[in-house]
This record gives sequence, C-alpha cells and structure tokens, in this order.
Amino acid sequence: NAGVTQTPKFRVLKTGQSMTLLCAQDMNHEYMYWYRQDPGMGLRLIHYSVGEGTTAKGEVPDGYNVSRLKKQNFLLGLESAAPSQTSVYFCASRTGSTGELFFGEGSRLTVL
Amino acid sequence: AQTVTQSQPEMSVQEAETVTLSCTYDTSESNYYLFWYKQPPSRQMILVIRQEAYKQQNATENRFSVNFQKAAKSFSLKISDSQLGDTAMYFCAFMSGTYKYIFGTGTRLKVLA
Repeated sequence: NAGVTQTPKFRVLKTGQSMTLLCAQDMNHEYMYWYRQDPGMGLRLIHYSVGEGTTAKGEVPDGYNVSRLKKQNFLLGLESAAPSQTSVYFCASRTGSTGELFFGEGSRLTVL
Repeated sequence: AQTVTQSQPEMSVQEAETVTLSCTYDTSESNYYLFWYKQPPSRQMILVIRQEAYKQQNATENRFSVNFQKAAKSFSLKISDSQLGDTAMYFCAFMSGTYKYIFGTGTRLKVLA
C-alpha cells in the first residue's frame, strides 16, 4: 500500500525554469492538498482540491498552478521558478470521514 | 480567515516527565476539527490526536491528551511519560467546512535522556 507518493523527491532548478511536482494517492481520497514547509513558518497551504476537476487557492498560491484531472493525481506546477520558492513541498490527501491527512514524504526543491 | 498560533518555537522535557504544548486558533465557525501532528526527523508527518469541536470531552490517545477550551479557542497537547521517540516537531492544525486545512508554525520538542 503506497499511500501518498510524491515525485521527484529532490530537484534543483535555475531561476526562471519550470517544473511540475506530481502527487499520487491510491486511497481513493476526495481531498488533496499541497503545502510548503519553511523554517519558522510551519506548513502553509498553497492549493487544494475537493474532488476531481476542482482546485482552490490556499494561503500562498502566487507563483503556483495546480491541476486535478484524475482523482488520484494532484499536480503542482511552477511556471517560472524563483529563489523564494526554495522549500520542502508536501502533498497530502484525506477522506471526508475522519479528517486525518495522509502525507507524502516531501519534495525538496532548490531554486538557484 | 482562520489562523493557528503556536507560541512556543522550542521546548525540552526530561524523559518520563510531562510536557504541554500550546495552540490557539481563531475562527468564526462553530463546527470544526482540531489536530496535532508529529514530524520526526524522518520528515514523515503523523497524526497524533484529533478533536471534534462539538465534543466537549477531551480526546486522549495513550500518553497523549488534549485540553480543548472552545470558548478560549485553545487546544493544548499534553504528553505524559515522555519518551526519546517523542522528539519531533509538533504541529497544531485546524479544519472546517471550507475544507481548508491550516497549520501552525510548529513547536520543536526535544526529549532529554
């Protein structure tokens, strides 16, 4: 049982490059979330989705785009990476019943 | 907008002692959920305990218990008989009907041998 899988785990980008982080869950969860974790700032919500084909903005959505074309996948895109986007990114999913979030292992992104 | 505040960036406790981590939140909603998550050095986030706002009884999970004060919008976590494996970052989180799931800035707990 894989749970929530994020790819890639590590990536180094140059300023202005683009990339996509993929989150896949095999638990048939409706809700999916993307967070970034920075020292002293905890986990901040970037975007989230309440079901296939839906997305919504979180606390810090600027510079990011997302898509949820399939229920099991939630993609986070950076169109033009900036050094301020250097962070550890976490994807999470949950059912509607217990509210517990299931997290991926995180993806460390460095923008030079 | 909902906010979650953890005012203790770092704490330490002796092994086998009890420690309490603080969390306050702000919301205008009446129905919501509160959580404590643990992030050990492995970076994997793990649910410690959850509390439904409509339940007056404080949640407990083995050595972990909460003190939920709805009127004061306070949700503290008590860890009894602290163990070395409890060393981790602890995050308080809030979820409501808007489906947003908001976290605090975390408290780094170190259990000392």
